[in-house]
This record gives sequence, structure tokens and C-alpha cells, in this order.
Amino acid sequence: AQTVTQSQPEMSVQEAETVTLSCTYDTSESDYYLFWYKQPPSRQMILVIRQEAYKQQNATENRFSVNFQKAAKSFSLKISDSQLGDAAMYFCAYGLNTGTASKLTFGTGTRLQVTL
Amino acid sequence: GAVVSQHPSWVICKSGTSVKIECRSLDFQATTMFWYRQFPKQSLMLMATSNEGSKATYEQGVEKDKFLINHASLTLSTLTVTSAHPEDSSFYICSVKRVAGETGELFFGEGSRLTVL
Repeated sequence: AQTVTQSQPEMSVQEAETVTLSCTYDTSESDYYLFWYKQPPSRQMILVIRQEAYKQQNATENRFSVNFQKAAKSFSLKISDSQLGDAAMYFCAYGLNTGTASKLTFGTGTRLQVTL
Repeated sequence: GAVVSQHPSWVICKSGTSVKIECRSLDFQATTMFWYRQFPKQSLMLMATSNEGSKATYEQGVEKDKFLINHASLTLSTLTVTSAHPEDSSFYICSVKRVAGETGELFFGEGSRLTVL
């Protein structure tokens, strides 16, 4: 079974600084997706960034980037120039590429606080 | 705008009653929808996979007679919590994956908070 581990229950970063959230996963598959989702107090899950396992290049989305280490099964999220609006729960998720459907396995989440 | 809509956002019911939660895909057809449950300060746990036109697939430990899922059309899936008890109080979230396009991304509804008194 696939598992996703987020070892940092809480993190704090000052506004405009950079923070890295850790995520490791366990799988025997070779074709899969990895995601970082953000859940603000409104509870709506918002996709932050996505990485296809077959791509060696790390995904980037504006201030968000990942460090994907496939051999190490590590998928960390770096947030640059942190903003107050980045404060939320961040969930790392794993999904198999099964074609027509894929269910996600989530980590336990990291609560990010952004301070002035 | 929203891609997935859930209704109701909040519901309070008495113990022993049944509650229905709707999940609608607004922008595209979805043969498959997923229902998650989230306890306070915890992660999302997959409950079941809702398949259009066929029976839902439940995860281990989830009672199918307790959590009835119906996926009658390509845009609507419903979750009915039957004979609800206080321990069923939770945040229920549905998600949808596009039929076409293999990005793997799931779109999530706003969630429905159920409180059973």
C-alpha cells in the first residue's frame, strides 16, 4: 500500500522569507503523480503544484517549487517570498496514474504559519 | 469559478436521522467521484469511489450500508449518512477527476460539515 509521510506538523516562516515543507512517500509503482494541496481556514482544497513521476524536471508554479527526488521518494515544497495568504494546512498527496481514475493518498498535513 | 459544488455546506441533524450530501461537477462530466472524510486537525481519508451507473467501491473499514453512495448521472453523486450518530460528525469532501485529460488532478468541493446531535 502507498503511504505518504509529512514529518512536520507545524512550520513557521516570516513574511517574504522562504520555507520548505517535507514529504516522503512509499510506493512500488513507477508511474504516478505527486501533489501539494493547500487547505485554508475555509477548508476548500486548492491544488498548489503537481509533479508527474516520469518527469525529471522539478515543477514550478510562480513562488512554489518542488524538489522531487524519485529514488529517495522525496517530494518537498518550497515557498519563496512567503505571503500572509500562504498560511494554511498543506497536504502532500500521491496518486497512481491509472488512466480513467485515480484516488489520492494524503499525508497528515503541515500547518504553515506566516508571521510579520 | 467553482468546478465542484457540494450542498449543503453545513448540516445539523438529530441522532437516528439520515442526511444526504450532494456533489456536483459543474464544468465537466465525471464518471468517477471520490468521497473523503476529514476529522478535525487530521488528514483526508478516502471513504469510497463513486462510479457513474454502477456500485460504489468502498475502502476497507467503511460501512457501505451506513454511507450510501449514488452516482446517477455524470455530474452528480450523493452521499447519504443513514441513521446518523454523533460519531459520524465530520467534514465530508467530494472530489472529481476529469474524464478526458490525464493530468491526474482532482478538483475538490467546498466540503460539508455534518454535526449529529
